[in-house]
Amino acid sequence: GESVGLHLPTLSVQEGDNSIINCAYSNSASDYFIWYKQESGKGPQFIIDIRSNMDKRQGQRVTVLLNKTVKHLSLQIAATQPGDSAVYFCAENIEGYSSASKIIFGSGTRLSIRP
Amino acid sequence: DAGITQSPRYKITETGRQVTLMCHQTWSHSYMFWYRQDLGHGLRLIYYSAAADITDKGEVPDGYVVSRSKTENFPLTLESATRSQTSVYFCASSERGGDSPLHFGNGTRLTVT
Repeated sequence: GESVGLHLPTLSVQEGDNSIINCAYSNSASDYFIWYKQESGKGPQFIIDIRSNMDKRQGQRVTVLLNKTVKHLSLQIAATQPGDSAVYFCAENIEGYSSASKIIFGSGTRLSIRP
Repeated sequence: DAGITQSPRYKITETGRQVTLMCHQTWSHSYMFWYRQDLGHGLRLIYYSAAADITDKGEVPDGYVVSRSKTENFPLTLESATRSQTSVYFCASSERGGDSPLHFGNGTRLTVT
């Protein structure tokens, strides 16, 4: 069925290194993808998004790459900092019954930073 | 301040009781969503709404009821709470549904005993 999943449930990275979080999606019709960061006790926070007509999009210290051929999404965080420790979710849009699209989330990757 | 507010922040209820979780947003976003998040898992969509009086089922709608009489409010009701509905519930809103980022509240932690 329709699903958004992640390759790695946990990721440990040395402070200052780059982090790469991967995500696979299964719905070929999805045309909008989002990465969220969730800190303990808080709601998910928007990081960056990308539409299907793009392969790459950059933000501040973050880059999202989209490979539609293999239905793969990745989030790259440059110079990882202790404040980047969180759970990261990818999400995709899926058409709903009333044609209003909805956002479905993957299972998440926990990013931990080694000092 | 503009934003999305959920209440209560914490709730303990007994099996079989009805409980309503509240969600209020001040952005005038058309779309609102309810998700549940179980320990160590991702977010699963319960219900969503494209506008006042328009609602759709998500991935896990059974046991829940929603209404949207006003654009700014989107309450979620558990008609007869079960232990399996113990979870953290997040409300979110967006301008254009699945075509724009969701803005989340800080969640309601619900425990059903």
